Amino acid sequence: DADVTQTPRNRITKTGKRIMLECSQTKGHDRMYWYRQDPGLGLRLIYYSFDVKDINKGEISDGYSVSRQAQAKFSLSLESAIPNQTALYFCATSAAWGGQETQYFGPGTRLLVL
Amino acid sequence: SQQGEEDPQALSIQEGENATMNCSYKTSINNLQWYRQNSGRGLVHLILIRSNEREKHSGRLRVTLDTSKKSSSLLITASRAADTASYFCATDGGNNNDMRFGAGTRLTVKP
Repeated sequence: DADVTQTPRNRITKTGKRIMLECSQTKGHDRMYWYRQDPGLGLRLIYYSFDVKDINKGEISDGYSVSRQAQAKFSLSLESAIPNQTALYFCATSAAWGGQETQYFGPGTRLLVL
Repeated sequence: SQQGEEDPQALSIQEGENATMNCSYKTSINNLQWYRQNSGRGLVHLILIRSNEREKHSGRLRVTLDTSKKSSSLLITASRAADTASYFCATDGGNNNDMRFGAGTRLTVKP
């Protein structure tokens, strides 16, 4: 079984709709992250969490919100989706405090906003 | 904004050849990591090199780091068709774990 899972894997929604992307992990890691990937731009950090109830903004948090109610779960919400939020979204986890850590990625959620 | 920039953006080689990808970055780092991404999949960690290291090996992978030039290279030796993927460098400045990824190099290995 995968250590980091994301649901749904694909989602089509309309402008203005609220949607939630879920991430679950069985690695027992404290840290979790949400990234988006756009063609030619690599990954950009949206939000990250060091522990339950801890939330930190990343590089591109506008238009997004997150919730970390349990160590194993980190959800990303788009309160009112817009077309330029069409992207591939990845959740990731890591164990160590700053410095020499490795991130473990989920399989991604492909989101299309019409 | 992105920290790392990979070069080249795309690379196409024959099976058995070596592939070299480069990464440049702008600010000081604690470590630099290389990740691989197969099309439409999540990233997979390949190797991490610390700021006080100059070279590291893992199987057919060789990573170098030159902090004076703020650059790193990833060498894949004796490439295989299965190495076809996108490769990303990611820098970690150690400040609240703000890892930054480059845009990636798309490697195609022809059988």
